[in-house]
Amino acid sequence: QVQLVQSGAEVKKPGASVKVSCKVSGYTLTELPMHWVRQAPGEGLEWMGNFDPDDGETIYAQKFQGRVTMTEDTSTDTAYMELSSLRSDDTAVYYCATVVGANFVFDIWGQGTMVTVSS
Amino acid sequence: SYVLTQSPSLSVAPGKTARITCGGDNIGSKNVHWYQQKSGQAPVVVINYDSDRPSGIPERFSGSNSGNTATLTISRAEAGDEADYYCQVWDSSNDHYVFGTGTKVTVL
Repeated sequence: QVQLVQSGAEVKKPGASVKVSCKVSGYTLTELPMHWVRQAPGEGLEWMGNFDPDDGETIYAQKFQGRVTMTEDTSTDTAYMELSSLRSDDTAVYYCATVVGANFVFDIWGQGTMVTVSS
Repeated sequence: SYVLTQSPSLSVAPGKTARITCGGDNIGSKNVHWYQQKSGQAPVVVINYDSDRPSGIPERFSGSNSGNTATLTISRAEAGDEADYYCQVWDSSNDHYVFGTGTKVTVL
């Protein structure tokens, strides 16, 4: 059974960067497309992008282009999402999510990582 | 970019039927997936590919999709169905994933 376990909460100052990790168990990371979704307090879900192991390509939502980097360490089955030049409106819960069953459906989610951006 | 619009909230009495809509341009030509998110938890898929129910999801949950509107129907609503519900599609034009704005369902 696939499980995604994320790193703990972070507090960052405006302008800083944050790197959130997502460790896979029950599967090999190279078999899974890893997506990142965020949710600001009281707001909806927002897809940020994903790494596709089938073609080795990373796709980012236009909103985050230039500020987000998604990487993977296959030796530890851990995916990472780094967001730079943080602003207060980046305060959100960041989720990793993957597709195990039906294509294009996020059927496995991490527990979420709260990132607070505050001076 | 593709936009999915949902009503912000709806209330349903226990035992009655709730219908949650998701509007998008010709959404009937896309595959729609629905997620339930309870307070403080990660989302869980309740319907995929318009009307398929994943294992473990009650038969009370059903879905349809046609024209410019997809619908998630919750029959015989229970208190445990209180949650936020999101629709989601894959936009093949740019290989992006899109979530709807979300609907808060209250059972009272």
